[in-house]
Amino acid sequence: DIQMTQSPSSLSASVGDRVTITCRASQSISSYLNWYQQKPGKAPKLLIYAASSLQSGVPSRFSGSGSGTDFTLTISSLQPEDFATYYCQQSYSTSYTFGPGTKVDIK
Amino acid sequence: QVQLQESGPGLVKPSETLSLTCAVSGYSISSGYYWGWIRQPPGKGLEWIGSIYHSGSTYYNPSLKSRVTISVDTSKNQFSLKLSSVTAADTAVYYCARRGLGGLRSAFDIWGQGTMVTVSS
Repeated sequence: DIQMTQSPSSLSASVGDRVTITCRASQSISSYLNWYQQKPGKAPKLLIYAASSLQSGVPSRFSGSGSGTDFTLTISSLQPEDFATYYCQQSYSTSYTFGPGTKVDIK
Repeated sequence: QVQLQESGPGLVKPSETLSLTCAVSGYSISSGYYWGWIRQPPGKGLEWIGSIYHSGSTYYNPSLKSRVTISVDTSKNQFSLKLSSVTAADTAVYYCARRGLGGLRSAFDIWGQGTMVTVSS
């Protein structure tokens, strides 16, 4: 299986801050990397697919970058509704795996 | 608008089989896409269980493969999950989801609301 790691595991930030979350794969996955946002008690929501493509309806303050093994999710200006847990997921291998998540909370 | 809705027992006894169904509305499963199951133990992260195509072609998480069966019923526009020999470790919220068209568009783009399943005697 391809293992996914994320850093940090949690972070505290203020509204308006620029936030960066990192995801690393245990082997090269090209651009087969997706990002999800999950709020408490809710299903995950797809934000970014193929490492950098913004899912329809997702605000442009979210962006993704990277390829190979190292990837980044950036929120350019954190909004109150962005406080949530973020997961990366690889779809290079059909044995899909998710990262452990990064919780973004209010400073 | 495509919607997915999970249903099934919320309580399953240890060693028994967990059975869930995902009803799809707003889209015909027969038209394409892969469909999948993902679970999330309380307070923990996401784990992909397996996926199925409308033709019945399946692929499963290797760690669960011996206990998982996913099937599709195109006449009812739904797909199902069976997980056998459950233990407390299988207690989780179970989500059904649609996988994208394939290739670089293989993310899970539409999700059900999830259903909590507890394994306990």
